[in-house]
Amino acid sequence: QVQLQESGPGLVQPSQTLSLICSVSGGSINSADYYWSWIRQHPGQGLQWIGYISYSGTTLYNPSLRSRLSISVDTSKRQFSLRLSSVTAADTAVYYCAREASYGRGADSWGQGTLVTVSS
Amino acid sequence: EIVLTQSPGTLSLSPGDRATLSCRPSQTIARSYLTWYQQKPGQAPRLLIYGASNRATGIPDRFSGSGSGTDFTLTISRLEPEDFAIYYCQQYDTSPITFGQGTRLEIK
Repeated sequence: QVQLQESGPGLVQPSQTLSLICSVSGGSINSADYYWSWIRQHPGQGLQWIGYISYSGTTLYNPSLRSRLSISVDTSKRQFSLRLSSVTAADTAVYYCAREASYGRGADSWGQGTLVTVSS
Repeated sequence: EIVLTQSPGTLSLSPGDRATLSCRPSQTIARSYLTWYQQKPGQAPRLLIYGASNRATGIPDRFSGSGSGTDFTLTISRLEPEDFAIYYCQQYDTSPITFGQGTRLEIK
């Protein structure tokens, strides 16, 4: 059974870059059947889709974040990464990585989530 | 972007009751691209339903999904204590992928 685990700093200074890694275990990241996603949840609020990447590097980003966002994949390490630049307090959230099955079949595996706080 | 409106915001029911949760997209979406998730406090969401009506692996058959176009429904036939949580719908029809604001299902 595939497992995902987020890692990265829990505190980021305003105007800096938020960087997170999602490590995939128990399954292959090299599959055309899945996309590798980032989703966030502001404290006490709902879910916001950030973007996803395929194993081959094809990306789709939320337009509201696109100018600050980069998602990459390293298949040799079985990891994919999120970089969000010029962060503000509005980027404080729990960040989840997830595996999304293609053709709209949903995100069937999730990391536990990691809280990132933007503060000086 | 497609806005998903979930109702009610909070649903207060008792174990054994039937729960009906609504999700209405702001424009027609393909049935194949509507999913439902359950989230409990401190946990990641869990996939319940994809393609509007297909149960994900391991999801009990008391959970069912239906609907099309601009009107989708998640039904829980007989509530178990572990079903009290927040439920989100999500659409994959049009980028950006969007979620509804959630329905909180609480014990009455």
